[in-house]
Amino acid sequence: RKEVEQDPGPFNVPEGATVAFNCTYSNSASQSFFWYRQDCRKEPKLLMSVYSSGNEDGRFTAQLNRASQYISLLIRDSKLSDSATYLCVVNPESGTSYGKLTFGQGTILTVHP
Amino acid sequence: SAVISQKPSRDICQRGTSLTIQCQVDSQVTMMFWYRQQPGQSLTLIATANQGSEATYESGFVIDKFPISRPNLTFSTLTVSNMSPEDSSIYLCSVGTFYEQYFGPGTRLTVT
Repeated sequence: RKEVEQDPGPFNVPEGATVAFNCTYSNSASQSFFWYRQDCRKEPKLLMSVYSSGNEDGRFTAQLNRASQYISLLIRDSKLSDSATYLCVVNPESGTSYGKLTFGQGTILTVHP
Repeated sequence: SAVISQKPSRDICQRGTSLTIQCQVDSQVTMMFWYRQQPGQSLTLIATANQGSEATYESGFVIDKFPISRPNLTFSTLTVSNMSPEDSSIYLCSVGTFYEQYFGPGTRLTVT
């Protein structure tokens, strides 16, 4: 079983649609959780951190369920510029090893006019 | 935030040769991380580089194949040794905090 699993998609949605991505992780001791975005031929960039209480940033909402080891990302009112690969990322370690990230395989999103 | 540059941005190399990738950060950082992204795949951590000590390698990666230097707090190199076509990947360095990791633009390596 992969440490971080995502549905690779691709997801093809029209502008204005709402789309949800899911992710599961295997290490119950994992400490922190993130969604990163990677544009074609570019490096990953942080989209948002994920907290148990849920967090929202504009059109984006992230949720963490520690009991189910499940992470989600909801994008509302999709824009063409949202087209990218969305990476579910987990930091399985505590302390100073915050850069030792485990990445899911990514979910490809294409938003069309 | 951190600004990270990498050299070279891309290279095409013959099998059996070695390539050294440089990573420069615009601020002093304790730890730097090297990742690999194989074609169509996500990122995999190769090793953690601390200044003044030997790098710590993840399972599946060894020092003889991927020697790392960390001479100061703003610079690191990763060497891909005795290359084979399977080493064709994007290699990225990374720095950051508990809240966010920043990645360099990557070095796109093709081994023929």
